[in-house]
Amino acid sequence: DIQMTQSPSSVSASVGDTVTITCRASQGINSWLVWYQQKPGKAPKLLIHAASTLQSGVPSRFSGSESGTEFTLTISSLQPEDFATYYCQQANSFPRTFGQGTRVEIK
Amino acid sequence: QVQLQESGPGLVKPSETLSLTCTVSGGSIGLYYWSWIRQPAGQGLEWLGRVHKTGDSNYNPSVKSRLTMSLDTSKNQVSLRLNSVTAADTAVYYCARDGHFVFEIWGPGTMVTVSS
Repeated sequence: DIQMTQSPSSVSASVGDTVTITCRASQGINSWLVWYQQKPGKAPKLLIHAASTLQSGVPSRFSGSESGTEFTLTISSLQPEDFATYYCQQANSFPRTFGQGTRVEIK
Repeated sequence: QVQLQESGPGLVKPSETLSLTCTVSGGSIGLYYWSWIRQPAGQGLEWLGRVHKTGDSNYNPSVKSRLTMSLDTSKNQVSLRLNSVTAADTAVYYCARDGHFVFEIWGPGTMVTVSS
């Protein structure tokens, strides 16, 4: 199985800050990296696929990038509705695997 | 607008079979793969498997020996059966439309507790 390692596990930030979350794959995944946002008691919501393609309807303050097996989710100008847990997921091979999540908390 | 809704018993006894249904509205299930994903309380996400109407399927080795997924196109439903459950199978279970590389649309999830 491909292991997905996210860091940090949690981050405290203020409205207006820029937050960066990293996800590292244990082997190459050919840009098949997806980011989801999950709020308490809700299902995850698709944000970004193919490492950097923004899902329709997702605000442009969310962006994704990649460098080898390291992937980054950046949230610019953090908004109150962005406080949530974020997960990465690899879609290169089976079984599909997720990172352990990064909780973005209000400072 | 496609919507998914999971349903099933909230409580299952150890060693018994967990059966869940995902009812899809607003679109045909025949065009896509459908995945099940679970999440124990306070923990991360685990993909269980996916199925297509052609019978093509992929299962997570962690549950493969206990898992069966199927589609009922006449009812537009996706089913999951997980047998020989233990407390470790206690989780929120989500169904999701699987766009090959992304889980595009998710149901709200259903909580299943394994306990005697």
